[in-house]
Amino acid sequence: SQTIHQWPATLVQPVGSPLSLECTVEGTSNPNLYWYRQAAGRGLQLLFYSVGIGQISSEVPQNLSASRPQDRQFILSSKKLLLSDSGFYLCAWRVPGQGYGYTFGSGTRLTVV
Amino acid sequence: AQSVTQLDSQVPVFEEAPVELRCNYSSSVSVYLFWYVQYPNQGLQLLLKYLSGSTLVESINGFEAEFNKSQTSFHLRKPSVHISDTAEYFCAVSGRDSNYQLIWGAGTKLIIKP
Repeated sequence: SQTIHQWPATLVQPVGSPLSLECTVEGTSNPNLYWYRQAAGRGLQLLFYSVGIGQISSEVPQNLSASRPQDRQFILSSKKLLLSDSGFYLCAWRVPGQGYGYTFGSGTRLTVV
Repeated sequence: AQSVTQLDSQVPVFEEAPVELRCNYSSSVSVYLFWYVQYPNQGLQLLLKYLSGSTLVESINGFEAEFNKSQTSFHLRKPSVHISDTAEYFCAVSGRDSNYQLIWGAGTKLIIKP
């Protein structure tokens, strides 16, 4: 069956520290992968998406970066966190070529202090 | 370009009362339509979707949505809400215009009053 794993569930990090969030997908090949962020009181903001290994598209300029070292692995990183990076981060995937929507991970609550 | 409008940021309703969450979209081509639900501190879950066929689609927990092409709407309804329905609901559209990427509405928080 197709599943998506996202970890950690919660994270508290000091300003200026690095960040690495990981997302892995099982049960499918060559998915499109997405990183979203929800800040308090705001909707879903698409940060990055990837259509294949090493292919990353950035939707907004920011303090974050993403990488896809393997087909079913998507990593969100930062070298130095800012207070404004706090939020709820969601990973999602979909099968390209099918209009069947996305499947989401359970999310990571990041608080930068 | 496709876009989605959820006019209501919050909808308060008494328990066991009916509710409608509004969603309008704009698109020049055929679309797929989705409603996702997000319970507090959780990821988004697909609630229901319209891909083709019957314009009325239903979820397993009593929600339904009707695709209205002439009004470009996909409103979500439930005849009687429960406390457990407290969540944020997101409407989304995809299609050839967006290369099948989901375009999201801003979300509507459903607040159930006892």
